[in-house]
Amino acid sequence: QKEVEQNSGPLSVPEGAIASLNCTYSDRGSQSFFWYRQYSGKSPELIMFIYSNGDKEDGRFTAQLNKASQYVSLLIRDSQPSDSATYLCAASLLAGGTSYGKLTFGQGTILTVHP
Amino acid sequence: DTGVSQDPRHKITKRGQNVTFRCDPISEHNRLYWYRQTLGQGPEFLTYFQNEAQLEKSRLLSDRFSAERPKGSFSTLEIQRTEQGDSAMYLCASSSKGQAEQYFGPGTRLTVT
Repeated sequence: QKEVEQNSGPLSVPEGAIASLNCTYSDRGSQSFFWYRQYSGKSPELIMFIYSNGDKEDGRFTAQLNKASQYVSLLIRDSQPSDSATYLCAASLLAGGTSYGKLTFGQGTILTVHP
Repeated sequence: DTGVSQDPRHKITKRGQNVTFRCDPISEHNRLYWYRQTLGQGPEFLTYFQNEAQLEKSRLLSDRFSAERPKGSFSTLEIQRTEQGDSAMYLCASSSKGQAEQYFGPGTRLTVT
């Protein structure tokens, strides 16, 4: 079992719709969760992070975390063609007290927003 | 504030040659990470530094790979005797003390022919 799993998609939504991206993780010690957006040929760009159970909103993006179910999601409201990219979910453990270490990534979900 | 920078952006080398990549983190970030990403996969952790100390290396990192961060600022990643399987995007990221968020550089794309 992979430590962080995502549906590779592709996920196709019409412009203006809500895109829902999902991620599960296996290590219950994971403390912090991240969503990165990656355009083709480019490096990952951090768009959201969440540490606590519940929802966190930033503009058109909402991250949701359920530690009991080991589940993280990202909702993109009013999807635009410019949102078409690969979305990477990542998890980080709290190691040795207060320090954070490596990120463990899922394989990414390809999102296509069509006009 | 400039972001993470990496050099070179692209490198083509022949099998068996050595290559070295450089990463300059965001200023004041004390943690620096190296990842490798192949097509269709998420980034895979290689190693990371806190200041000049190398705190963790992936078990997947063969002894052909070595990384340094001698003065706690920029870092270099060297691959000796490159193999075709080393072809990938090599990503560097940095984070500040006490924070988990990591910010990536543009990456170095390595092609081994």
